[in-house]
Amino acid sequence: AQTVTQSQPEMSVQEAETVTLSCTYDTSESNYYLFWYKQPPSRQMILVIRQEAYKQQNATENRFSVNFQKAAKSFSLKISDSQLGDTAMYFCAFMNPLGGTASKLTFGTGTRLQVTL
Amino acid sequence: GAVVSQHPSRVICKSGTSVKIECRSLDFQATTMFWYRQFPKKSLMLMATSNEGSKATYEQGVEKDKFLINHASLTLSTLTVTSAHPEDSSFYICSARRDRVGGELFFGEGSRLTVL
Repeated sequence: AQTVTQSQPEMSVQEAETVTLSCTYDTSESNYYLFWYKQPPSRQMILVIRQEAYKQQNATENRFSVNFQKAAKSFSLKISDSQLGDTAMYFCAFMNPLGGTASKLTFGTGTRLQVTL
Repeated sequence: GAVVSQHPSRVICKSGTSVKIECRSLDFQATTMFWYRQFPKKSLMLMATSNEGSKATYEQGVEKDKFLINHASLTLSTLTVTSAHPEDSSFYICSARRDRVGGELFFGEGSRLTVL
């Protein structure tokens, strides 16, 4: 079974600064997908960024980028120019696509990010 | 992006009653829907995978008779918590996959159940 570990329960960053959230995972598969989801106080999960394991290039989405180290099984999220609206719980997630459309997400325990003035 | 809606967003019920939570994909057909449970300040725990027209697949440790899942159409899945007890109080979240393998999962707003 796959496991996802987020070792930082809480983090704080000042507005406009950069912060990196860490995530490691364990799998014996070679093809898989990795995701970062954001859960703001409204509680609705929002996809931040995704990475396909067979792609070497790190995914980026505006201020959000990842550092994907396949050999180390590491998938960190970097948030640049942090904004107050980035305050949320961030979950790292893993998916093995072998289940087809029923492929499910395995979530980490989450990192609570607080952006301060 | 695609929209998934859950109803009700909050529900309070008495112990022993049953509660139904609906999950709808509003602008796409969902081949698969997933139901999660989230305790305060905790991660999402997958309860079951729901496919249209077939029985749901439950995760180990989830009581099938307690948490009834029905996926009657490509846009609607329901979770019924039967004979609810205070320990069933939680935040329940659904998600839906639109199409391709590895495709993005779209999440509902969640439903907070409080059992008195």
